[in-house]
Amino acid sequence: ETGVTQTPRHLVMGMTNKKSLKCEQHLGHNAMYWYKQSAKKPLELMFVYNFKEQTENNSVPSRFSPECPNSSHLFLHLHTLQPEDSALYLCASSRYSGNEQFFGPGTRLTVL
Amino acid sequence: QKEVEQDPGPLSVPEGAIVSLNCTYSNSAFQYFMWYRQYSRKGPELLMYTYSSGNKEDGRFTAQVDKSSKYISLFIRDSQPSDSATYLCAMSANRDDKIIFGKGTRLHILP
Repeated sequence: ETGVTQTPRHLVMGMTNKKSLKCEQHLGHNAMYWYKQSAKKPLELMFVYNFKEQTENNSVPSRFSPECPNSSHLFLHLHTLQPEDSALYLCASSRYSGNEQFFGPGTRLTVL
Repeated sequence: QKEVEQDPGPLSVPEGAIVSLNCTYSNSAFQYFMWYRQYSRKGPELLMYTYSSGNKEDGRFTAQVDKSSKYISLFIRDSQPSDSATYLCAMSANRDDKIIFGKGTRLHILP
């Protein structure tokens, strides 16, 4: 595997379900990010982890819970989501906290 | 006024034409400017990265920044059907600051 990988690529869940998104980077980077991409809206930064420590939470609702066990792995735990949370969730990484970020392919999430 | 404005398109041009993609911004503190390309069902891919004003060329791509006008452009020469994608402009004030993205412009290159 190379670059940034994300699983699953597609996820359909009900509002009462609990699921997790996984991201793994194979680039030796130290910073990882979660973004939300909705139709006709700019990419929205959700969370930033730098050397496994959360350095930014962009006012994200508590139904989204990130976890970063090490610099290579990032999870986004989901529970009691709303239909408006349906979007493409993108993970990215960079060598250090900064703006040369490499993105994964995303998880297309649909909340019914 | 939104921080970054980008026309969503779609923009359709014939193969071989020169494409011009643009963004305007309101925050004069922005110094780092990026262009990402995003193919359908893929994540964004960093195309060009520039600091401050001026031009940067990489193959068929040229990024231009005019800080006095708060205006950035991406030019694609000899456009190919494989250039069909959504192009996102992005910018930040400092190297480790949050990146602010435009909404993206959908580009179609017609064979």
